[in-house]
Amino acid sequence: EAEVAQSPRYKITEKSQAVAFWCDPISGHATLYWYRQILGQGPELLVQFQDESVVDDSQLPKDRFSAERLKGVDSTLKIQPAELGDSAMYLCASSFGTSGGLISYEQYFGPGTRLTVT
Amino acid sequence: AQRVTQPEKLLSVFKGAPVELKCNYSYSGSPELFWYVQYSRQRLQLLLRHISRESIKGFTADLNKGETSFHLKKPFAQEEDSAMYYCALRGGTDKLIFGTGTRLQVFP
Repeated sequence: EAEVAQSPRYKITEKSQAVAFWCDPISGHATLYWYRQILGQGPELLVQFQDESVVDDSQLPKDRFSAERLKGVDSTLKIQPAELGDSAMYLCASSFGTSGGLISYEQYFGPGTRLTVT
Repeated sequence: AQRVTQPEKLLSVFKGAPVELKCNYSYSGSPELFWYVQYSRQRLQLLLRHISRESIKGFTADLNKGETSFHLKKPFAQEEDSAMYYCALRGGTDKLIFGTGTRLQVFP
């Protein structure tokens, strides 16, 4: 069964360093989401892509976070510089979206990348 | 404002007891609600959605627009139901707005 892949699974970095996360969605899924989950809270959307275009990045701290999905397939989320408050689980999800008149909004989640900033 | 509230962080029951995980929402349009579950060491996965009106693993949830609630229920809890449960609302761009989650512990 196809799954969303993420790497690395764990990342420890020092404050002010740069860090990057990678996500490979389920093949054929046009919509890709990056969520951040702080301990004790539910996931919160950071950025949403439809193919290679950003649909929603209203909650993305753009002074330090960037995201790209250049060919409309896999995606990278970058933080530079990392701060202590960025310690969290970063989840990637994908959905079929809208294609050829078909609509499916069910989101499939990856295993996440747990970031610890020291 | 779009918001999902799960008032209980932890719910502990014994096997065979009924379970109700509470979820309330705030949304100005026609809501679409979901329950997601995360078992230990597994990824977040969809449990059920209100538009399907189906029962999954014995769980059901009914959307009550008058009370703006979408509580998850199961008449007889099993040990394998122990997990983290998140209620979620589909927002305008199809993003999910999650509650803070409820941890369900089912004791033998």
